Amino acid sequence: KAGVTQTPRYLIKTRGQQVTLSCSPISGHRSVSWYQQTPGQGLQFLFEYFSETQRNKGNFPGRFSGRQFSNSRSEMNVSTLELGDSALYLCASSLVPNRFANTGELFFGEGSRLTVL
Amino acid sequence: AQSVTQLGSHVSVSEGALVLLRCNYSSSVPPYLFWYVQYPNQGLQLLLKYTSAATLVKGINGFEAEFKKSETSFHLTKPSAHMSDAAEYFCAVSDQRGSARQLTFGSGTQLTVLP
Repeated sequence: KAGVTQTPRYLIKTRGQQVTLSCSPISGHRSVSWYQQTPGQGLQFLFEYFSETQRNKGNFPGRFSGRQFSNSRSEMNVSTLELGDSALYLCASSLVPNRFANTGELFFGEGSRLTVL
Repeated sequence: AQSVTQLGSHVSVSEGALVLLRCNYSSSVPPYLFWYVQYPNQGLQLLLKYTSAATLVKGINGFEAEFKKSETSFHLTKPSAHMSDAAEYFCAVSDQRGSARQLTFGSGTQLTVLP
């Protein structure tokens, strides 16, 4: 079974631009979460989607947004990029049987490394 | 609110020696606890998890962790370190409420294994 796939793996943008990152979860997984990893702040939760609905959102500005499609694939978007947005963005999927379940076991992709110049 | 503290951002051990990575958590509700490992330029891989069953949890690659409620700890151990264990290790907590599936991670411990 294929793992979580994130594209692109690496990208370079300049300040003020926007970026869209893509995540394909493990087949059958309906929950997709996004995390930002930086040397200074560590791993921070961005948001989680289940069945195309945002279930939880971390403490990030509105420039960070996401969505989930009917096939469970997810995208996240960052608008008006700032230097501090340089990070590894990790997507994780989870086999959650229903919206009330809470296994918390996440399967991570290899991440998209964003550099903002 | 939940939080995780990992004591020691860098730990070095000799090959064959005991590995002990420390994790303390804070949670107002019964927690789920996890250890993840991250190799360079890769995502996170689940080593083991505690979900309120047995307090001693065995994971992959010979790692295990013991949940101690009285000490609010979930330390990760391995009896004999191998060179391939060199990586960064993250402890994480989530609560058991159905509406909250997000993980709160510790700051990580970089494990170096010396030959």
